[in-house]
Amino acid sequence: DAGITQSPRHKVTETGTPVTLRCHQTENHRYMYWYRQDPGHGLRLIHYSYGVKDTDKGEVSDGYSVSRSKTEDFLLTLESATSSQTSVYFCAISEYSDLSVYGYTFGSGTRLTVV
Amino acid sequence: DQQVKQNSPSLSVQEGRISILNCDYTNSMFDYFLWYKKYPAEGPTFLISISSIKDKNEDGRFTVFLNKSAKHLSLHIVPSQPGDSAVYFCAASPKGGSEKLVFGKGTKLTVNP
Repeated sequence: DAGITQSPRHKVTETGTPVTLRCHQTENHRYMYWYRQDPGHGLRLIHYSYGVKDTDKGEVSDGYSVSRSKTEDFLLTLESATSSQTSVYFCAISEYSDLSVYGYTFGSGTRLTVV
Repeated sequence: DQQVKQNSPSLSVQEGRISILNCDYTNSMFDYFLWYKKYPAEGPTFLISISSIKDKNEDGRFTVFLNKSAKHLSLHIVPSQPGDSAVYFCAASPKGGSEKLVFGKGTKLTVNP
């Protein structure tokens, strides 16, 4: 399977604290994505990256920022965590711009609880 | 505005029978459609895809049908097995190349022994 790891796998944090989730890939894929999964909402795109230092917002980007200083790492930061950001976060990677056949490869997820 | 809709949150079938998962979309610019399967505590995994120029694609027990005029696609699993119990997400990719998939909310399939 594709080399994509997310860390941490689980985290509990307090409201108002900053949190950074890490996605690391060993596939040298160009495109990286952060999604969140919530009951009744499915998978929603937070931010994505076309390449190093090249990122853009998804549909639920408020309260989140990202950085990609190296091809292999894509960081998601919650500047000041809120309870509404309690969710399961998935990172995904893709080599293809058109996603026509292979789509994404997903990481195993990070379960974040904000108390 | 939800562009990819999976209107059935859950589906329960007996082992050996057919499972049919449905997906509707509103954007006529979608060019490719994909199905992902997700087990608890794991990330989604790619299952099967179909191009908008086709109306059927088959891979073993899994077949996806596309009806462009109705903006509807379905995933058929025959025969269903208990290991198929998972959440299934429908996703779409816009025409002309796009880096972003649009996902439905998912359907939880339970296959009973």
